[in-house]
Amino acid sequence: QQQVKQSPQSLIVQKGGISIINCAYENTAFDYFPWYQQFPGKGPALLIAIRPDVSEKKEGRFTISFNKSAKQFSLHIMDSQPGDSATYFCASLSNSGYALNFGKGTSLLVTP
Amino acid sequence: DTAVSQTPKYLVTQMGNDKSIKCEQNLGHDTMYWYKQDSKKFLKIMFSYNNKELIINETVPNRFSPKSPDKAHLNLHINSLELGDSAVYFCASSRMGGGHNEQFFGPGTRLTVL
Repeated sequence: QQQVKQSPQSLIVQKGGISIINCAYENTAFDYFPWYQQFPGKGPALLIAIRPDVSEKKEGRFTISFNKSAKQFSLHIMDSQPGDSATYFCASLSNSGYALNFGKGTSLLVTP
Repeated sequence: DTAVSQTPKYLVTQMGNDKSIKCEQNLGHDTMYWYKQDSKKFLKIMFSYNNKELIINETVPNRFSPKSPDKAHLNLHINSLELGDSAVYFCASSRMGGGHNEQFFGPGTRLTVL
Protein backbone atom coordinates (compact mmCIF):
# COMPACT_ATOMS: atom_id res chain seq x y z
CA GLN A 1 0.00 0.00 0.00
CA GLN A 2 1.35 3.40 -0.93
CA GLN A 3 2.39 5.66 1.86
CA VAL A 4 1.22 9.16 2.57
CA LYS A 5 3.27 10.77 5.33
CA GLN A 6 1.48 13.49 7.28
CA SER A 7 2.79 15.95 9.82
CA PRO A 8 2.44 17.21 12.46
CA GLN A 9 0.53 14.64 14.47
CA SER A 10 -1.08 17.39 16.52
CA LEU A 11 -1.34 21.14 16.27
CA ILE A 12 -2.53 23.87 18.59
CA VAL A 13 -3.31 27.26 17.04
CA GLN A 14 -4.82 30.38 18.50
CA LYS A 15 -8.05 31.72 17.06
CA GLY A 16 -7.28 33.83 14.03
CA GLY A 17 -3.97 32.11 13.36
CA ILE A 18 -2.88 30.00 10.39
CA SER A 19 -2.91 26.21 10.65
CA ILE A 20 -0.56 24.33 8.33
CA ILE A 21 -0.54 20.59 7.80
CA ASN A 22 1.90 18.88 5.45
CA CYS A 23 1.82 15.66 3.48
CA ALA A 24 4.31 13.81 1.31
CA TYR A 25 3.34 11.05 -1.08
CA GLU A 26 4.97 8.29 -3.07
CA ASN A 27 4.43 7.71 -6.78
CA THR A 28 0.77 7.54 -7.61
CA ALA A 29 -1.10 6.66 -10.77
CA PHE A 30 -3.73 9.28 -10.10
CA ASP A 31 -3.12 12.97 -9.56
CA TYR A 32 -5.83 13.57 -7.03
CA PHE A 33 -5.11 14.65 -3.48
CA PRO A 34 -8.00 15.25 -1.09
CA TRP A 35 -8.14 16.47 2.47
CA TYR A 36 -10.76 15.03 4.77
CA GLN A 37 -12.02 16.55 8.03
CA GLN A 38 -13.32 14.40 10.85
CA PHE A 39 -15.11 15.58 13.97
CA PRO A 40 -15.32 13.31 17.03
CA GLY A 41 -17.93 10.61 16.62
CA LYS A 42 -18.46 11.38 12.92
CA GLY A 43 -17.26 9.98 9.65
CA PRO A 44 -14.61 11.80 7.61
CA ALA A 45 -15.94 14.37 5.15
CA LEU A 46 -14.23 15.83 2.12
CA LEU A 47 -12.93 19.31 2.86
CA ILE A 48 -11.03 20.22 -0.27
CA ALA A 49 -9.20 18.39 -3.04
CA ILE A 50 -6.67 19.25 -5.71
CA ARG A 51 -5.89 17.80 -9.12
CA PRO A 52 -2.40 19.03 -9.78
CA ASP A 53 -2.87 20.74 -13.07
CA VAL A 54 -2.72 23.69 -10.68
CA SER A 55 -0.29 24.35 -7.85
CA GLU A 56 -2.86 25.83 -5.50
CA LYS A 57 -6.56 25.57 -4.80
CA LYS A 58 -8.48 27.84 -2.47
CA GLU A 59 -11.94 27.42 -1.02
CA GLY A 60 -12.83 30.06 1.52
CA ARG A 61 -10.33 29.90 4.37
CA PHE A 62 -8.89 26.58 3.18
CA THR A 63 -6.05 26.35 0.66
CA ILE A 64 -4.14 23.39 -0.73
CA SER A 65 -0.63 24.07 -1.99
CA PHE A 66 0.89 21.42 -4.21
CA ASN A 67 4.54 20.83 -5.15
CA LYS A 68 4.70 18.04 -7.71
CA SER A 69 8.50 17.92 -8.00
CA ALA A 70 8.81 17.49 -4.23
CA LYS A 71 5.78 15.16 -4.08
CA GLN A 72 4.34 17.27 -1.29
CA PHE A 73 1.08 19.04 -0.62
CA SER A 74 -0.16 21.02 2.31
CA LEU A 75 -3.35 22.37 3.81
CA HIS A 76 -3.48 25.93 5.06
CA ILE A 77 -6.36 27.10 7.23
CA MET A 78 -6.45 30.87 7.40
CA ASP A 79 -8.12 32.73 10.28
CA SER A 80 -8.48 29.46 12.18
CA GLN A 81 -11.63 29.18 14.30
CA PRO A 82 -12.51 26.99 17.30
CA GLY A 83 -15.04 25.24 15.06
CA ASP A 84 -12.13 24.06 12.90
CA SER A 85 -10.93 21.87 15.77
CA ALA A 86 -11.00 18.38 14.27
CA THR A 87 -8.75 15.70 12.85
CA TYR A 88 -7.52 16.31 9.32
CA PHE A 89 -6.42 13.59 6.94
CA CYS A 90 -4.59 13.95 3.67
CA ALA A 91 -4.92 11.15 1.16
CA SER A 92 -3.94 9.86 -2.23
CA LEU A 93 -5.63 7.36 -4.49
CA SER A 94 -4.42 3.80 -4.64
CA ASN A 95 -3.14 2.49 -7.97
CA SER A 96 -6.50 0.86 -8.55
CA GLY A 97 -8.20 4.23 -8.16
CA TYR A 98 -10.78 2.62 -5.96
CA ALA A 99 -9.46 3.39 -2.50
CA LEU A 100 -7.94 6.23 -0.54
CA ASN A 101 -4.60 5.86 1.19
CA PHE A 102 -4.80 8.15 4.18
CA GLY A 103 -2.12 9.89 6.17
CA LYS A 104 -2.11 9.22 9.89
CA GLY A 105 -4.08 12.37 10.66
CA THR A 106 -3.46 15.67 12.40
CA SER A 107 -5.44 16.59 15.46
CA LEU A 108 -6.02 20.34 15.31
CA LEU A 109 -7.09 22.36 18.34
CA VAL A 110 -7.94 26.01 17.86
CA THR A 111 -7.99 27.84 21.16
CA PRO A 112 -10.29 30.82 21.78
CA ASP B 1 -32.18 12.15 3.79
CA THR B 2 -29.11 10.35 5.14
CA ALA B 3 -26.57 9.70 2.40
CA VAL B 4 -24.62 6.76 3.83
CA SER B 5 -26.09 4.99 6.82
CA GLN B 6 -24.71 2.20 8.97
CA THR B 7 -26.24 -0.02 11.60
CA PRO B 8 -25.59 -0.51 14.38
CA LYS B 9 -23.71 2.56 15.60
CA TYR B 10 -22.28 0.65 18.55
CA LEU B 11 -21.57 -3.05 18.80
CA VAL B 12 -20.24 -4.70 21.95
CA THR B 13 -19.63 -8.42 21.81
CA GLN B 14 -17.57 -11.25 23.19
CA MET B 15 -14.52 -12.81 21.59
CA GLY B 16 -15.39 -15.65 19.28
CA ASN B 17 -18.82 -14.32 18.31
CA ASP B 18 -19.98 -13.60 14.77
CA LYS B 19 -21.43 -10.18 13.97
CA SER B 20 -22.59 -8.14 10.99
CA ILE B 21 -22.59 -4.45 10.17
CA LYS B 22 -24.97 -3.13 7.55
CA CYS B 23 -24.42 -0.21 5.20
CA GLU B 24 -26.77 1.51 2.79
CA GLN B 25 -26.30 4.49 0.52
CA ASN B 26 -29.04 6.46 -1.22
CA LEU B 27 -26.74 8.50 -3.46
CA GLY B 28 -27.02 6.24 -6.49
CA HIS B 29 -23.28 5.51 -6.34
CA ASP B 30 -21.69 2.52 -8.05
CA THR B 31 -18.77 2.01 -5.67
CA MET B 32 -18.79 1.22 -1.98
CA TYR B 33 -16.03 0.71 0.55
CA TRP B 34 -15.25 -0.48 4.04
CA TYR B 35 -12.54 1.30 6.03
CA LYS B 36 -11.21 0.46 9.49
CA GLN B 37 -10.14 3.21 11.89
CA ASP B 38 -8.00 2.01 14.77
CA SER B 39 -7.54 3.51 18.22
CA LYS B 40 -4.88 5.87 16.88
CA LYS B 41 -7.37 7.14 14.27
CA PHE B 42 -5.48 5.55 11.38
CA LEU B 43 -7.88 4.89 8.49
CA LYS B 44 -7.18 1.89 6.29
CA ILE B 45 -9.10 0.49 3.34
CA MET B 46 -10.46 -3.02 3.79
CA PHE B 47 -12.67 -3.67 0.78
CA SER B 48 -14.07 -1.96 -2.26
CA TYR B 49 -17.00 -3.05 -4.41
CA ASN B 50 -17.91 -1.64 -7.79
CA ASN B 51 -21.31 -2.59 -9.20
CA LYS B 52 -21.52 -5.43 -6.68
CA GLU B 53 -18.12 -6.84 -7.70
CA LEU B 54 -15.20 -7.04 -5.31
CA ILE B 55 -12.42 -4.73 -6.52
CA ILE B 56 -10.14 -4.47 -3.51
CA ASN B 57 -9.39 -6.85 -0.68
CA GLU B 58 -6.53 -5.34 1.30
CA THR B 59 -4.95 -8.28 3.13
CA VAL B 60 -7.90 -8.54 5.44
CA PRO B 61 -8.27 -11.83 7.36
CA ASN B 62 -10.81 -14.10 5.73
CA ARG B 63 -12.87 -13.90 8.93
CA PHE B 64 -14.12 -10.67 7.34
CA SER B 65 -16.56 -11.23 4.51
CA PRO B 66 -18.24 -8.38 2.69
CA LYS B 67 -21.49 -8.95 0.87
CA SER B 68 -23.12 -6.65 -1.64
CA PRO B 69 -26.70 -7.73 -2.40
CA ASP B 70 -27.18 -4.70 -4.64
CA LYS B 71 -25.37 -1.49 -5.53
CA ALA B 72 -26.92 0.39 -2.61
CA HIS B 73 -25.84 -2.03 0.11
CA LEU B 74 -22.53 -3.36 1.34
CA ASN B 75 -22.61 -5.40 4.50
CA LEU B 76 -19.68 -6.64 6.54
CA HIS B 77 -19.80 -9.97 8.35
CA ILE B 78 -17.10 -10.85 10.84
CA ASN B 79 -16.60 -14.39 12.12
CA SER B 80 -14.81 -15.46 15.28
CA LEU B 81 -14.24 -11.95 16.56
CA GLU B 82 -10.89 -11.18 18.15
CA LEU B 83 -9.80 -8.45 20.55
CA GLY B 84 -7.81 -6.80 17.75
CA ASP B 85 -10.95 -6.31 15.71
CA SER B 86 -12.04 -3.57 18.10
CA ALA B 87 -12.15 -0.41 16.00
CA VAL B 88 -14.49 1.96 14.24
CA TYR B 89 -15.64 0.66 10.87
CA PHE B 90 -16.69 3.14 8.23
CA CYS B 91 -18.67 2.45 5.13
CA ALA B 92 -18.24 4.86 2.23
CA SER B 93 -19.47 5.28 -1.32
CA SER B 94 -18.47 7.17 -4.43
CA ARG B 95 -19.94 7.74 -7.85
CA MET B 96 -17.30 5.57 -9.47
CA GLY B 97 -13.71 4.55 -9.03
CA GLY B 98 -10.91 5.54 -11.31
CA GLY B 99 -9.96 8.62 -9.39
CA HIS B 100 -11.27 12.11 -8.73
CA ASN B 101 -14.44 11.02 -7.04
CA GLU B 102 -15.47 12.22 -3.62
CA GLN B 103 -16.04 9.45 -1.15
CA PHE B 104 -18.95 9.93 1.21
CA PHE B 105 -18.52 8.29 4.59
CA GLY B 106 -21.13 6.90 6.93
CA PRO B 107 -21.20 7.75 10.64
CA GLY B 108 -19.22 4.66 11.61
CA THR B 109 -19.82 1.57 13.74
CA ARG B 110 -17.79 1.34 16.91
CA LEU B 111 -17.05 -2.34 17.52
CA THR B 112 -15.79 -3.39 20.93
CA VAL B 113 -14.71 -6.98 21.42
CA LEU B 114 -14.45 -8.08 25.05
